[in-house]
Amino acid sequence: DIQMTQSPSTLSASVGDRVTITCRASQSISSWLAWYQQKPGTAPKLLIYEASSLEGGVPSRFSGSGSGTEFTLTISSLQPDDFATYYCQQYNSYWWTFGQGTKVEIK
Amino acid sequence: EVQLVASGGGLVQPGGSLRLSCAASGFTVSPNYKTWVRQAPGKGLEWVSVIYSSGNTYYADSVKGRFTISRDNSKNMLYLEMNSLRVEDTAVYYCATEDGRPNWGQGTLVTVSS
Repeated sequence: DIQMTQSPSTLSASVGDRVTITCRASQSISSWLAWYQQKPGTAPKLLIYEASSLEGGVPSRFSGSGSGTEFTLTISSLQPDDFATYYCQQYNSYWWTFGQGTKVEIK
Repeated sequence: EVQLVASGGGLVQPGGSLRLSCAASGFTVSPNYKTWVRQAPGKGLEWVSVIYSSGNTYYADSVKGRFTISRDNSKNMLYLEMNSLRVEDTAVYYCATEDGRPNWGQGTLVTVSS
């Protein structure tokens, strides 16, 4: 299976900060990568698909980049509603695999 | 708009069985595969099983031999038959698919406890 390594595991930031989360795949997944935001008690919310396509209704402060094995999620200016856990996911293989998650906390 | 609605979760004793269902609608093109993903309380996301339009099925090692994925195309339904349940199977179970972008349902909670 394809391993997804996400970093950091925890991130402390302030409102207005630029935040970057990294995801690395153990082998090339082309651009078949998604990013999710999850808050307690709710299903993961799709933010980005195909590495850089913004899901409808998601604020433009979220952006994704990368291809092959290296990917990043950037929040250009962190807002109070953005404090949550973020996951990357590869869907190049039917055996979907996920990063360990990054918890974005208030500094 | 694609909708996936999972149901059938509940409380079951270790060793027991449960059948999850997922109602799918809104597809303009039938997806190539449908899948189940789970999330244990306070933990990350774990892929469980997939069924292709061809009928081929695959399972995570942790559920192989205990879980069976199936579908009813005439009803646009996806199922997950879970047998010999263990405490560690406790999780929210999501049905999902992708058509270039992943689509997820809202999840159903399975609790395995005595």
